[in-house]
Amino acid sequence: GAVVSQHPSRVICKSGTSVKIECRSLDFQATTMFWYRQFPKQSLMLMATSNEGSKATYEQGVEKDKFLINHASLTLSTLTVTSAHPEDSSFYICSAVDRETQYFGPGTRLLVL
Amino acid sequence: AQSVTQLGSHVSVSEGALVLLRCNYSSSVPPYLFWYVQYPNQGLQLLLKYTTGATLVKGINGFEAEFKKSETSFHLTKPSAHMSDAAEYFCAVSDGGNNRKLIWGLGTSLAVNP
Repeated sequence: GAVVSQHPSRVICKSGTSVKIECRSLDFQATTMFWYRQFPKQSLMLMATSNEGSKATYEQGVEKDKFLINHASLTLSTLTVTSAHPEDSSFYICSAVDRETQYFGPGTRLLVL
Repeated sequence: AQSVTQLGSHVSVSEGALVLLRCNYSSSVPPYLFWYVQYPNQGLQLLLKYTTGATLVKGINGFEAEFKKSETSFHLTKPSAHMSDAAEYFCAVSDGGNNRKLIWGLGTSLAVNP
């Protein structure tokens, strides 16, 4: 149980384009999901908290207009990186909360050329 | 405020040896404590967690951890390391509140030598 999927697993895009990443809880409903960014050899950096049916809460320093989050249902949250630039290249990981525990997706590797 | 300190960013053990990964936390409220493992280019997998009750917690892959309030520690152990245990390990704490946010340690990279 408590399986979380992410799609796509890897994406390469041109600078200036937008990229959407999906995060799904497959066998449970998640009122809350989180989006993280991870740089090589580093810990997770929380970007935002996604709550179903309400606006996402962004961490300090994260541009909400650049990283659009939509939590449209109890099993799906999406992160859209708008007008992506090479500095947005990173590993993005989502998690979904089941009771007190976060369960993580496999991550999405974004490379912006 | 809560914080997590993982002592040792890199730990190396021989196959079959004891694995000990250290985690100390600070919290003004009773903490919820978690250990996650991350293999290269993958997401995080929950190894074990402590919320309430028994302080010795058993997890997957033969790992266990003991919550010691007096020492504010939640060290992760495994009696005998396998080559497949080589990975990055993260300790995290939450306050158990409704926001479910985790405060993360910086991680410990475990190498297992044949």
